[in-house]
Amino acid sequence: GESVGLHLPTLSVQEGDNSIINCAYSNSASDYFIWYKQESGKGPQFIIDIRSNMDKRQGQRVTVLLNKTVKHLSLQIAATQPGDSAVYFCAENGNRDDKIIFGKGTRLHILP
Amino acid sequence: DADVTQTPRNRITKTGKRIMLECSQTKGHDRMYWYRQDPGLGLRLIYYSFDVKDINKGEISDGYSVSRQAQAKFSLSLESAIPNQTALYFCATSGQQGPGETQYFGPGTRLLVL
Repeated sequence: GESVGLHLPTLSVQEGDNSIINCAYSNSASDYFIWYKQESGKGPQFIIDIRSNMDKRQGQRVTVLLNKTVKHLSLQIAATQPGDSAVYFCAENGNRDDKIIFGKGTRLHILP
Repeated sequence: DADVTQTPRNRITKTGKRIMLECSQTKGHDRMYWYRQDPGLGLRLIYYSFDVKDINKGEISDGYSVSRQAQAKFSLSLESAIPNQTALYFCATSGQQGPGETQYFGPGTRLLVL
């Protein structure tokens, strides 16, 4: 069946270091992937997306990498800051019914 | 002002009561969604609507119903609330068809069913 999951439920990173959050997906038909950030008490917020015809996309301090061979998605955050503390969700759009499937989330904890 | 608003933000109710959660958006989007979030389970889709005359069940629609009163309004009802419906509920909107559909979320409604 379809599933989008994350390897680690919690990730602790030293402030200033780079963070890498990983995600595995199982639907090979998915052609669009999204990373969301959810801060405490707030709804998920779009960070960055990538289409399946790309393997890398960069934003401001964030980079998403897509490896379709192994069905793996990652979010890299450069120079992690205290404001990056949040739960990060990967999501996929399977292109069959236009619904988005969310992973379970990874909590990013910033160490001082 | 927020583009996607939800009311109430917090609600405590008793088992068996009927409650309604409301969502309004000013983004002009046709598509609206209701999700439920539980610890360790991520976001799960309850219902979604692609336009005013379109209502579709999501992954976990049992025990819930929805009404799309207008393009800007999408409400979620629990006809007879039960304790395992205690969760955080999010409304979302999107304006793009097909792949590339970014969703915009409201602030959430925290529901406690006693």
